[in-house]
Amino acid sequence: GQNIDQPTEMTATEGAIVQINCTYQTSGFNGLFWYQQHAGEAPTFLSYNVLDGLEEKGRFSSFLSRSKGYSYLLLKELQMKDSASYLCVVMDSNYQLIWGAGTKLIIKP
Amino acid sequence: GAVVSQHPSWVICKSGTSVKIECRSLDFQATTMFWYRQFPKQSLMLMATSNEGSKATYEQGVEKDKFLINHASLTLSTLTVTSAHPEDSSFYICSARAGDVTDTQYFGPGTRLTVL
Repeated sequence: GQNIDQPTEMTATEGAIVQINCTYQTSGFNGLFWYQQHAGEAPTFLSYNVLDGLEEKGRFSSFLSRSKGYSYLLLKELQMKDSASYLCVVMDSNYQLIWGAGTKLIIKP
Repeated sequence: GAVVSQHPSWVICKSGTSVKIECRSLDFQATTMFWYRQFPKQSLMLMATSNEGSKATYEQGVEKDKFLINHASLTLSTLTVTSAHPEDSSFYICSARAGDVTDTQYFGPGTRLTVL
C-alpha cells in the first residue's frame, strides 16, 4: 500500500531551527510537496522536489532522497507565526496525491 | 489513519458537458468537507466548504451555479462542474474533517479534469 510517515507533533523554540522528516512508500514517484496549513485555512504551498538534493527558499529548505524515500523540511529562524501543521505530500505514478497526516509544529517563546 | 477517496481519478470531457466528482470519507463521518483547486506548484485554492445537510459556502469568485456541491451524507460530497470549459481544466482536491476547526483535515488523492 501507499504510505506517508511524518511525526504527529513537534515543539521548537522561537529563533531556533527545526527539521520535519517525511518518509514515503508509493507506487511510483512524480514529486514531493510540502504545504503549511494554519487551523481553519487552506494549505499553502511551500516547496516541490522531484530531483534529489536540497532546495532552499528563504527560511525554508526542503530535501529529497528518492532512493531512500525520504524528505525533510527545514525551518530556520523560527517565528511564532510558523506554528502550523506541515503536510508532506507525494504525487505517485498516476499523478495522484498521497497525503501525510501532517506534523503539528508548536513554537514556544 | 483516516482515508478520503475521490472518484474518478481523472476525467476528460468535451466542452459544454457536465462532470461529477465524488469525495468519500471511508472510515469516519465527515461533518465538513472542502473542495479545492490546485494549480501547479501553487497553494490549494479553497472553492467551497460544505456541511452535511446544508448548503455549501462558496469562496469569493467561485460561481456556485457552475460548481454545484452536494453533501447529502456524512460520508459523501459531490462536486459537479456544469457546462465545463477548457479553463476549468485543473486538479480538484477534496478534504474531510470529522470535528471542529481544530480537528485534522484528511485530503483526497485528487481528480484531474481535462476539458477539450
